[in-house]
Amino acid sequence: DTEVTQTPKHLVMGMTNKKSLKCEQHMGHRAMYWYKQKAKKPPELMFVYSYEKLSINESVPSRFSPECPNSSLLNLHLHALQPEDSALYLCASSQDHQEGYEQYFGPGTRLTVT
Amino acid sequence: GEDVEQSLFLSVREGDSSVINCTYTDSSSTYLYWYKQEPGAGLQLLTYIFSNMDMKQDQRLTVLLNKKDKHLSLRIADTQTGDSAIYFCAEAHSGTYKYIFGTGTRLKVLA
Repeated sequence: DTEVTQTPKHLVMGMTNKKSLKCEQHMGHRAMYWYKQKAKKPPELMFVYSYEKLSINESVPSRFSPECPNSSLLNLHLHALQPEDSALYLCASSQDHQEGYEQYFGPGTRLTVT
Repeated sequence: GEDVEQSLFLSVREGDSSVINCTYTDSSSTYLYWYKQEPGAGLQLLTYIFSNMDMKQDQRLTVLLNKKDKHLSLRIADTQTGDSAIYFCAEAHSGTYKYIFGTGTRLKVLA
């Protein structure tokens, strides 16, 4: 089983709302990732969690707040977003965060900020 | 620049072979990957190749690697309409976790 699940599939939120994106994997992977993907562009890395600890923040604005409650779950908390934050948000996981371990992606959450 | 380059668009007839090309940036990259993304979906890992290999075959997929030219290609044999999607190559730099994705190639298969 190489499945990464994400909820919700679609999300529309206003600039003053607070919402959360959820990601789950049951492959025993110890690294989990958040990516942002704009239309017709490749994914851009946002955060990396390794063994439930935040190891990389790619200079992401503080209105995006990641959380890893346990080794299977990854959340992305959203607050005071801007319309330009509208994008597909992808979660991925890999056995470890070292090179050579392939990343498996979820289906994404399509976020629209109004 | 430092972009991983791919041609934007490729159109082939059903049953023909497709070849998607990628020029990557770092000759020390140790793993190179191919992902497929269908409309509105996430990325599906298709295959990968380690840098000490020249070729890898997996059913209808053949990956060729030319390290000297930093050129990677994905050949899809007997292309089907279900192969229509965007294809991304990605390189993993030696010693880091980080993927550098290519710009993506949209493959359209004509029936």
